[in-house]
Amino acid sequence: EIVLTQSPATLSLSPGERATLSCGASQSVSSSYLAWYQQKPGLAPRLLIYDASSRATGIPDRFSGSGSGTDFTLTISRLEPEDFAVYYCQQYGSSPRTFGQGTKVEIK
Amino acid sequence: EVQLVESGGGLVQPGGSLRLSCAASGFTFSSYWMSWVRQAPGKGLEWVANIKQDGSEKYYVDSVKGRFTISRDNAKNSLYLQMNSLRAEDTAVYYCARDLGYYDSSGYLAYMDVWGKGTTVTVSS
Repeated sequence: EIVLTQSPATLSLSPGERATLSCGASQSVSSSYLAWYQQKPGLAPRLLIYDASSRATGIPDRFSGSGSGTDFTLTISRLEPEDFAVYYCQQYGSSPRTFGQGTKVEIK
Repeated sequence: EVQLVESGGGLVQPGGSLRLSCAASGFTFSSYWMSWVRQAPGKGLEWVANIKQDGSEKYYVDSVKGRFTISRDNAKNSLYLQMNSLRAEDTAVYYCARDLGYYDSSGYLAYMDVWGKGTTVTVSS
């Protein structure tokens, strides 16, 4: 199975700053089948990005995804107060679909 | 409004059984593959199982094969997860989610665009 490793584990930033989250795969992810989710405490995950770079419905354009093969990135161009949360990547290029361990974006 | 609402979680002893339900509304349930995803306390997400629109294909993560059964009732817009021989490591919040993806030789691979709020399963004596 493909193992996804997210870095850093925690990102401490201030509102208005740029956040860059990484997701590395143990094998190449077929056709860039990679998604990103946001999860706030006590709530369900929310889909942000699919197919590595396509924004889900209703997601603000400050969220962008990029990458291919084994290296993927989620960028939040200017952090809003509501963006402080945990972010997970997930690959669906091979079975079983797997998730990274998460990156927590916290207020500095 | 598209919505998924899970129920059926609770406290169960090791070796026991539990049946989770997920009620779908706001979309044509019978047109989508559906999944269960779980999250152990303080941990990350783990996909558990998914099921085809008509229930004819089902896939499971290795750790639950032979113990969990996913099913659906399209007439009731409902998804189920029958969990038997429960272990402490099955303790988690269980989410119902809608799949969007594609077929390959190993099954239906997907991301999840709609999630329920989850139901908590605790396996403990």
